[in-house]
Amino acid sequence: ILNVEQSPQSLHVQEGDSTNFTCSFPSSNFYALHWYRWETAKSPEALFVMTLNGDEKKKGRISATLNTKEGYSYLYIKGSQPEDSATYLCAFSDRGSTLGRLYFGRGTQLTVWP
Amino acid sequence: DGGITQSPKYLFRKEGQNVTLSCEQNLNHDAMYWYRQDPGQGLRLIYYSQIVNDFQKGDIAEGYSVSREKKESFPLTVTSAQKNPTAFYLCASSIVRTGSNEQYFGPGTRLTVT
Repeated sequence: ILNVEQSPQSLHVQEGDSTNFTCSFPSSNFYALHWYRWETAKSPEALFVMTLNGDEKKKGRISATLNTKEGYSYLYIKGSQPEDSATYLCAFSDRGSTLGRLYFGRGTQLTVWP
Repeated sequence: DGGITQSPKYLFRKEGQNVTLSCEQNLNHDAMYWYRQDPGQGLRLIYYSQIVNDFQKGDIAEGYSVSREKKESFPLTVTSAQKNPTAFYLCASSIVRTGSNEQYFGPGTRLTVT
């Protein structure tokens, strides 16, 4: 089982604050890094899939970066809003595993207070 | 609308009974997955299938069984051999051309065994 670590485990911020969280993964045999957002009472939804070292992805106020050599990815949220409250999951796939198989971290639970 | 359906949303069973969780997708995806989530844990892979009539054990397959007789359906049976069956179960699917394809999730089934 490959280890994917996310930090912090939970985060409480005020509306308008910017925030970021970290995902660490094995740097060898890297294939892809996924970020998902999981809102309460909904299904997890994909935010980004990154495959190349140095990749940066952006969707609205949310962006992500990837460093495959050192095995980490950052997710940034600029000007957090209450609707950003969710659990953010990262997942890793490696070249040695069956295609499509992901290893998930435990998630970072974000709460944004109005 | 394309998507993944899981039924029922809540399921209650007595200890010692087998129970089958339904997962159906109309996305025409080849791969399907079953995950389990427990409080404080990440998503853990139970079983996955890349093609009809074929499936592989994930990290926590003991006490579970699956079948994949049709592309769109991947039911999970929680047997009486599963020591701690009470959990939240998520089904997912993806195209499996590469390991970078995002997974699409169903709404989940919360199973309570007493």
